[in-house]
Amino acid sequence: DAGVIQSPRHEVTEMGQEVTLRCKPISGHDYLFWYRQTMMRGLELLIYFNNNVPIDDSGMPEDRFSAKMPNASFSTLKIQPSEPRDSAVYFCASRRGGTDTQYFGPGTRLTVL
Amino acid sequence: AQSVAQPEDQVNVAEGNPLTVKCTYSVSGNPYLFWYVQYPNRGLQFLLKYITGDNLVKGSYGFEAEFNKSQTSFHLKKPSALVSDSALYFCAVRDGPGAGSYQLTFGKGTKLSVIP
Repeated sequence: DAGVIQSPRHEVTEMGQEVTLRCKPISGHDYLFWYRQTMMRGLELLIYFNNNVPIDDSGMPEDRFSAKMPNASFSTLKIQPSEPRDSAVYFCASRRGGTDTQYFGPGTRLTVL
Repeated sequence: AQSVAQPEDQVNVAEGNPLTVKCTYSVSGNPYLFWYVQYPNRGLQFLLKYITGDNLVKGSYGFEAEFNKSQTSFHLKKPSALVSDSALYFCAVRDGPGAGSYQLTFGKGTKLSVIP
């Protein structure tokens, strides 16, 4: 199994630009989670999907953030426009329904200048 | 609301000595408890979990954790630390069945440094 795949691994952009982060969950997993990790706030859940449907987006910091899951094997997290305070590591995780363990991708390190 | 506390930002231990990384939790019902490890520039890796049953849970890489309901704790332990155990460790919790939430709440993490 390839595990959760995220791209890109590193992204450097300038303030105001649009950023799109991508995630491919483990095949057969029907839950997908987006997290953000910073030194100040630790690991925060942004949003999660079940069967491609967003279930809870209460962790999304503001309207500049949006997430989609057009099919069971692909999800995106978009920031538009990006700001320096969005600099963080963004993780995607997935889990099979009826189980409890989430499996994390390697993360995308985002730097907004 | 569920919450997790990891009271130590950093733990230093000499190689070969036993290690403990502390975690306390708060949930409204019966807890599901997890430990994850994060190596530099990597994602979180699952170590072990407690759902029900024996209070001592064994996991990957020789780690174990003890669930203590009265103290609401789930401390991570290993009898003999290795330099390769140096990493960031996260405790996580969620309410058990019927609580209506499947979200994990993570602690802020504890950096473990094993000194040769």
